[in-house]
Order: sequence, then structure tokens, then C-alpha cells
Amino acid sequence: GDSVTQMEGPVTLSEEAFLTINCTYTATGYPSLFWYVQYPGEGLQLLLKATKADDKGSNKGFEATYRKETTSFHLEKGSVQVSDSAVYFCALTHTGGFKTIFGAGTRLFVKA
Amino acid sequence: GAGVSQTPSNKVTEKGKYVELRCDPISGHTALYWYRQSLGQGPEFLIYFQGTGAADDSGLPNDRFFAVRPEGSVSTLKIQRTERGDSAVYLCASSPLGRTGELFFGEGSRLTVL
Repeated sequence: GDSVTQMEGPVTLSEEAFLTINCTYTATGYPSLFWYVQYPGEGLQLLLKATKADDKGSNKGFEATYRKETTSFHLEKGSVQVSDSAVYFCALTHTGGFKTIFGAGTRLFVKA
Repeated sequence: GAGVSQTPSNKVTEKGKYVELRCDPISGHTALYWYRQSLGQGPEFLIYFQGTGAADDSGLPNDRFFAVRPEGSVSTLKIQRTERGDSAVYLCASSPLGRTGELFFGEGSRLTVL
């Protein structure tokens, strides 16, 4: 069945450091890919998405590129802030489908 | 406008009791989902509604779990004869028509079964 694998956390960085959170997936066909973020005390919210190969999703300085050849969708940010501290979830949904499959999440701590 | 609202935010119950969790989705969102999230894990799909009908309930773990959405808006997740293993955060999400995978989540209902 479909699955999403994320790098284990926690990831601890200093402010202004470069962030990469790895995500790979297993799925038939061509799913849409997502990153969700959960800030402390809040519900999950959509951060960015990409719906086809080579698409780049971006939002709030975060980016991720849909790489079909490596079945990956790594999240990157050039300069993290303390306010980026949260749990990040990679996810996939088949086009026209409705069941979203989530990874286990990666907790990010950013120190001032 | 208002986001997805879930009540109660916390529920503590004893093993064997019956529990209801309520979800009020974003107005106009036709799709509604229930997920379950255990500590340190990602959300796990339980059931999906399109309108009033359950289009897919394949994620419900057993027949103690049931969900309804009688008027196509508010949904209730019902758990009978609760077990300690049911302890988790139950998440509700809604989505507008045609935006597959773009889920708007509530803050969840944390269920603790003693």
C-alpha cells in the first residue's frame, strides 16, 4: 500500500540555519504531495503542495520539489526562525482520491 | 470565517464507557474526514464523508467505532465499549469540493481511556 517516510526528529537548529527535512513516498501512479505543519497548541495546517512531477510548492519561505525519479518531496528553508519550531508532516493523496496518507512527522526546534 | 470546531477538546472516560466526539466543519465544505493520531505518529485515516454518506469507512478499526453526518454538516464519531488502546487525539478535517488533499483540520479531541 501507499506510504510516506520522513526523517526522524527532533531536528534542532540555530536561527538562520538551513533546513532540510527528508520525505520519500511509495505509491502507485502519480499522487499529489503535501507538507502540513502543526505549531504548538494548534491544529495541522497545509503548508505547501505539488500536484505533478517537477512542480515546486512554496509558502512562507519553505519549498519542496516533487521528484518522481527519486520518489521524494524534501522540505527546505534557507533561513529558519524560532517561530518555525513545529512538527512537520509529509503526506500524499491520489488525484481524484480522498484518503490522505501522512508520515510520522518531524519535530523541529529552532534556538535563538 | 470560523474554522473546523471539535468538541470536547479533552475527554477522560473509563474502560467500557460510550463516547461521542463532535465535529463542526467549515461552512460549505462538502467533504469531512476523521483521523486518529497517536503520540509520535502521523494522522491515521478513519472515515470520509461526501455530503451525508460515508464514502469510505475502511479506516475504522472495528465495529465499536461508528460515525454519522445526518445533515451533511456536523459529524459525530461514536465509540462504544471504549478500550485503553482507543486513547489518542481524534482529528476532524473538512475540505472544499475539488481540492483533493487540502484538508482544514480542527484542533482535535484528546480521548483518554482509563
